Amino acid sequence: KQEVTQIPAALSVPEGENLVLNCSFTDSAIYNLQWFRQDPGKGLTSLLLIQSSQREQTSGRLNASLDKSSGRSTLYIAASQPGDSATYLCAVRERGGSNYKLTFGKGTLLTVNP
Amino acid sequence: DAGVTQSPTHLIKTRGQQVTLRCSPISGHKSVSWYQQVLGQGPQFIFQYYEKEERGRGNFPDRFSARQFPNYSSELNVNALLLGDSALYLCASSLQGMGNTEAFFGQGTRLTVV
Repeated sequence: KQEVTQIPAALSVPEGENLVLNCSFTDSAIYNLQWFRQDPGKGLTSLLLIQSSQREQTSGRLNASLDKSSGRSTLYIAASQPGDSATYLCAVRERGGSNYKLTFGKGTLLTVNP
Repeated sequence: DAGVTQSPTHLIKTRGQQVTLRCSPISGHKSVSWYQQVLGQGPQFIFQYYEKEERGRGNFPDRFSARQFPNYSSELNVNALLLGDSALYLCASSLQGMGNTEAFFGQGTRLTVV
């Protein structure tokens, strides 16, 4: 059974700091991994999708890496801003019989202080 | 282009009642999935529909049911509501039903059972 873990559960940083969020998964047989942002009480906004054959993806100040063999992904946020404050979730889509669904971690709550 | 739209955004129901939640996918997307997110947890998979057929079901009781219409919109029904059904219900749309596909989420429906 696929399990996704995100560390840390919460992170508070001053504005301007570079930071890394971690995601690990137990079964490396995946199609892709997605990083999402969730504001309080809101839906999920897709930030980055990394295919299993890719090592990293970049969008603006965000860079996500994937090491499928070790079951790890990181989301790097450069020059953090107060507007980056949100919960960040990672999710994997497995190969095999359960490829119709995403398995999520519990998320990392990020607070960027002005 | 409109993203994934869900209705209603909030509702309050009494224990034992029934509720119907609605979702319209992104234009051209044929797959709709439903997820339940309780406070402090990652979303949990409930159902996936592709081309109007159920392709996957999560570990939820039979009180939960869903369907997809010819225009690819979807409804999630929950009967005999329990206090524990209080959660944010998220709908996701994707081009493909499974495999290497990207998911896009709506803003969610906040259900409170009293």
